Amino acid sequence: EAQVTQNPRYLITVTGKKLTVTCSQNMNHEYMSWYRQDPGLGLRQIYYSMNVEVTDKGDVPEGYKVSRKEKRNFPLILESPSPNQTSLYFCASSYWTGSANTGELFFGEGSRLTVL
Amino acid sequence: QQQVKQSPQSLIVQKGGISIINCAYENTAFDYFPWYQQFPGKGPALLIAIRPDVSEKKEGRFTISFNKSAKQFSLHIMDSQPGDSATYFCAASIDNFNKFYFGSGTKLNVKP
Repeated sequence: EAQVTQNPRYLITVTGKKLTVTCSQNMNHEYMSWYRQDPGLGLRQIYYSMNVEVTDKGDVPEGYKVSRKEKRNFPLILESPSPNQTSLYFCASSYWTGSANTGELFFGEGSRLTVL
Repeated sequence: QQQVKQSPQSLIVQKGGISIINCAYENTAFDYFPWYQQFPGKGPALLIAIRPDVSEKKEGRFTISFNKSAKQFSLHIMDSQPGDSATYFCAASIDNFNKFYFGSGTKLNVKP
């Protein structure tokens, strides 16, 4: 089954404790991206990656890091989480090259993060 | 500052009625305008999308109307059903689908 898998789905942590949210896709997509969803703000793009070792900032990258060492994985790293990073996080992927690049994003089911 | 403004925040429609959600944008470089549907506990899923060279696109009961001069686009759901109850997000994309800007979302409740 084609899917984007995020882990953990739920996490409660404390300020300053480094954490990583993993994202993996099995559709051989070149493009992957991270979003945070907050009430009244919709989804805001954090980082995106067009392919292995190619990443760039989205709209709200402060406080986050990403890496793309393999095509299927795109982890989101919070080096020193703060309470304002409490949010619902979504990973998405899509084709990026050729005629398959229709712009359709395939989302994971989300990771709800609470930073105390 | 929200790049894509969406309204209303919530919407209640009777079964069989028409649901209309509106979005507006400022950046004329946007070249792709999708609508995503999200059910509770799930990630958003693409519903329908349009390019700015087309004024309308219809897929089943869902229609996007696009007004390039006004920089507005809207989603119309005809014959709304309780199963359509979900949160809807409009979005706009730039830079060959690399960057996406989403609206704030509309929670639709279709009453039986």
